[in-house]
Amino acid sequence: DAGVIQSPRHEVTEMGQEVTLRCKPISGHDYLFWYRQTMMRGLELLIYFNNNVPIDDSGMPEDRFSAKMPNASFSTLKIQPSEPRDSAVYFCASSPILDGGSYEQYFGPGTRLTVT
Amino acid sequence: ELKVEQNPLFLSMQEGKNYTIYCNYSTTSDRLYWYRQDPGKSLESLFVLLSNGAVKQEGRLMASLDTKARLSTLHITAAVHDLSATYFCAVDVGGSQGNLIFGKGTKLSVKP
Repeated sequence: DAGVIQSPRHEVTEMGQEVTLRCKPISGHDYLFWYRQTMMRGLELLIYFNNNVPIDDSGMPEDRFSAKMPNASFSTLKIQPSEPRDSAVYFCASSPILDGGSYEQYFGPGTRLTVT
Repeated sequence: ELKVEQNPLFLSMQEGKNYTIYCNYSTTSDRLYWYRQDPGKSLESLFVLLSNGAVKQEGRLMASLDTKARLSTLHITAAVHDLSATYFCAVDVGGSQGNLIFGKGTKLSVKP
């Protein structure tokens, strides 16, 4: 399996522009997670989906952020308009449901976003 | 609200020494995960601990889980430079919710 795939790997954009991050989870995984990581705040869960349905979006910082999962193999995280404080590494992760209820998450390589 | 605390947050140790990283959590859970992150890289799963008393070992790292004490430890034996990384523990929220709560991470630096 190719693992979780994210694109782009690096994104540099100007303040006010729209940014779309993409994620392809591991086939067969039921859960998909979006995280943000910064030096100051560490690893933050933004939103997660179960079977394409958003379960908890309480970590989404504000209305400028939105996430969709139109099918089991694709998800997007959109920031509109972007601001310099959105600069971070954004990780997508997916997990299966294993016997015994284990939810081990597999992380993608991340997208490093820089907003100038 | 489930809280996960790791300590220490920073650890500088010499090669050949032993040390333990601690992960405490605030509510009942019997599933805990350890991840490793190298600088500029993604998180890689190290251990999955699924029951009280679970112990897993891989090379110089050994992880254990005590659900009654709400404590997991990651023990490093005879550290080598290649173990330098940030180590995160993550606790299962429980039920069918499927999400994990991560600690802040322990940044380990192993010096010759």
